[in-house]
Amino acid sequence: RKEVEQDPGPFNVPEGATVAFNCTYSNSASQSFFWYRQDCRKEPKLLMSVYSSGNEDGRFTAQLNRASQYISLLIRDSKLSDSATYLCVVNKGGGADGLTFGKGTHLIIQP
Amino acid sequence: DAGVIQSPRHEVTEMGQEVTLRCKPISGHDYLFWYRQTMMRGLELLIYFNNNVPIDDSGMPEDRFSAKMPNASFSTLKIQPSEPRDSAVYFCASTWTGGKGSPLHFGNGTRLTVT
Repeated sequence: RKEVEQDPGPFNVPEGATVAFNCTYSNSASQSFFWYRQDCRKEPKLLMSVYSSGNEDGRFTAQLNRASQYISLLIRDSKLSDSATYLCVVNKGGGADGLTFGKGTHLIIQP
Repeated sequence: DAGVIQSPRHEVTEMGQEVTLRCKPISGHDYLFWYRQTMMRGLELLIYFNNNVPIDDSGMPEDRFSAKMPNASFSTLKIQPSEPRDSAVYFCASTWTGGKGSPLHFGNGTRLTVT
């Protein structure tokens, strides 16, 4: 099993719809989790951290399921500007050096 | 805050030539990472430094790759000799020892093409 696994997509979603995608991780001792967003030909940028109780940031909701070892990202009322690649990131340790990136899920919002 | 600064933005070189990529991390950050990104392999960690000291270089593909961090504000990644399979986007990122959950700040990347 890969350390961090994501469905590469692409997910083609009409504007205004709700879309969700998951990411699975193999190391049950992983301690922190993140979603990064990467626009075409740009650098990855932190979208949000994922907390154990789940958390929301505007239209974005992140969930963590430790028992099944996956995290999810839900986007409500999707906008054209949400089109990007979403990278799941798992930190197996406590510091900055334990980060593992998934290959990303490509999302296309269609007008 | 200027962010992480990488240069050059684009590099086109011929096989066999030496390539040097440069990175200036965010001031105050004590971790610096070099990543390589391709469509096939995604983001791969090549090497990272903590307080200017290389900690883990197990991701460096082979001896043709080397990285240095002579001081807290500058790092280089060198490929000598370069090969076409080295073509990729190379990102530098930095962060600080803020406990778990410290986000990475990436530079704009260097798009390397080796012909």
